[in-house]
Amino acid sequence: AQSVTQPDIHITVSEGASLELRCNYSYGATPYLFWYVQSPGQGLQLLLKYFSGDTLVQGIKGFEAEFKRSQSSFNLRKPSVHWSDAAEYFCAVEGGSYIPTFGRGTSLIVHP
Amino acid sequence: DAGITQSPRYKITETGRQVTLMCHQTWSHSYMFWYRQDLGHGLRLIYYSAAADITDKGEVPDGYVVSRSKTENFPLTLESATRSQTSVYFCASRPTNTGDQPQHFGDGTRLSIL
Repeated sequence: AQSVTQPDIHITVSEGASLELRCNYSYGATPYLFWYVQSPGQGLQLLLKYFSGDTLVQGIKGFEAEFKRSQSSFNLRKPSVHWSDAAEYFCAVEGGSYIPTFGRGTSLIVHP
Repeated sequence: DAGITQSPRYKITETGRQVTLMCHQTWSHSYMFWYRQDLGHGLRLIYYSAAADITDKGEVPDGYVVSRSKTENFPLTLESATRSQTSVYFCASRPTNTGDQPQHFGDGTRLSIL
C-alpha cells in the first residue's frame, strides 16, 4: 500500500523569503511523485513530477523538488516566494496500482 | 476550448434528493476520476473509470453511482443525498494510467446538502 504525509497544515512565510513544503511517502519501491497547487475556487494544477532520473526536478512558477530515497521524502522548494504563491499545495504518490494517493495538503500563507 | 469542465459549479439541495454532477473532457483521455475534498482529508477518490463502460470503486464509494457510456463524460450521481456528502467534488482525467502522466482537474463543484 502507498501513503503520503504532509506534516504541515499551514505554513506562513514573508514575501521574498524561501519556502520548503514537506512531503513524506510510504511505498516499497520508487514511486511516481507529484506536487499540485490549488488556488481558491479552482482545481489542482500540476507543478512538477518525478518518476526516474535526476532527483532534483524543476517545475513551473519557479518551484523545484528533490527526491530523497533514504528519507522517503519529496520536499517542494522555492527560493523567493511571491504573494501570488499563496494557495493549497498537495503532494501525491503513485505506486503499482497507478492510482494516486494525495496528502491532506498544506496551506501557504504569504505575508507582505 | 479543450479541457475538462464540471457542471454545475455550485449546487444546493436537500437531504433525500437525487443530484447528478457532470464532468466532460475534450481530450479523449481514457481514465477519469471523481474525488471529494473535505477539510482535513485532502482529496479522496470516490470512483474511477478506465474506459467507457468500465468503472471501479475508490476509497469512499458509498452513496454514489457513476456511469460512463461515452469516453468524454463521467457523471456522478448521489441517489439520495445526505448532509455528510456536502463537499467540493473534483473530476480529473489522464490519457493513460501510467504514473508518468499527471491528472488534469476540473474547477470543481461545491455541493451543499441541507
